Amino acid sequence: GAGVSQTPSNKVTEKGKYVELRCDPISGHTALYWYRQSLGQGPEFLIYFQGTGAADDSGLPNDRFFAVRPEGSVSTLKIQRTERGDSAVYLCASSLAGGGSPLHFGNGTRLTVT
Amino acid sequence: EDQVTQSPEALRLQEGESSSLNCSYTVSGLRGLFWYRQDPGKGPEFLFTLYSAGEEKEKERLKATLTKKESFLHITAPKPEDSATYLCAVQEWGSNYKLTFGKGTLLTVNP
Repeated sequence: GAGVSQTPSNKVTEKGKYVELRCDPISGHTALYWYRQSLGQGPEFLIYFQGTGAADDSGLPNDRFFAVRPEGSVSTLKIQRTERGDSAVYLCASSLAGGGSPLHFGNGTRLTVT
Repeated sequence: EDQVTQSPEALRLQEGESSSLNCSYTVSGLRGLFWYRQDPGKGPEFLFTLYSAGEEKEKERLKATLTKKESFLHITAPKPEDSATYLCAVQEWGSNYKLTFGKGTLLTVNP
């Protein structure tokens, strides 16, 4: 079946610009997560949605980062006034429910801020 | 202090040469420990979840084990297609289900 889909796969933007990254989770998965992965590092938690609401946004680094999931399915990660330090691979994952259900990851969006 | 430490950072094996990867963790209450495989340019692919000390899980040439302080991923008679980065992650009770990952072990299996 279809896995987690992320678009675009690559995004190059200039410092100071606004970007949106999209995630289509596996159908029926109520839990959705955003992670960020820098080169040589493991994924770092950003935000967790259960349904439409952000249950935990403690990993968002600052108020330039925001994510929404208005209908409980597709999610968008929004980054304002991008900085070079935001360059990383942004991974989205979904699971059937929270707790011990395994996370299924997409292939990520590679964001490069020039 | 890192909650999840993986060793070694990189490991080179010859095809058929068995070995183990280590994941040590420090959390107040472990809900689950997860192993993932990540190929270059791809997202992590789920392998195993372990919940309690003494638990073991197997899949093909891989076997994961868990103690109260660490987990091992044993690779028996590896093949070149087992080459990947192996990531370990922990989930704590009361953490809103988020996973905390280690930096991974880059495994290369030479033919």
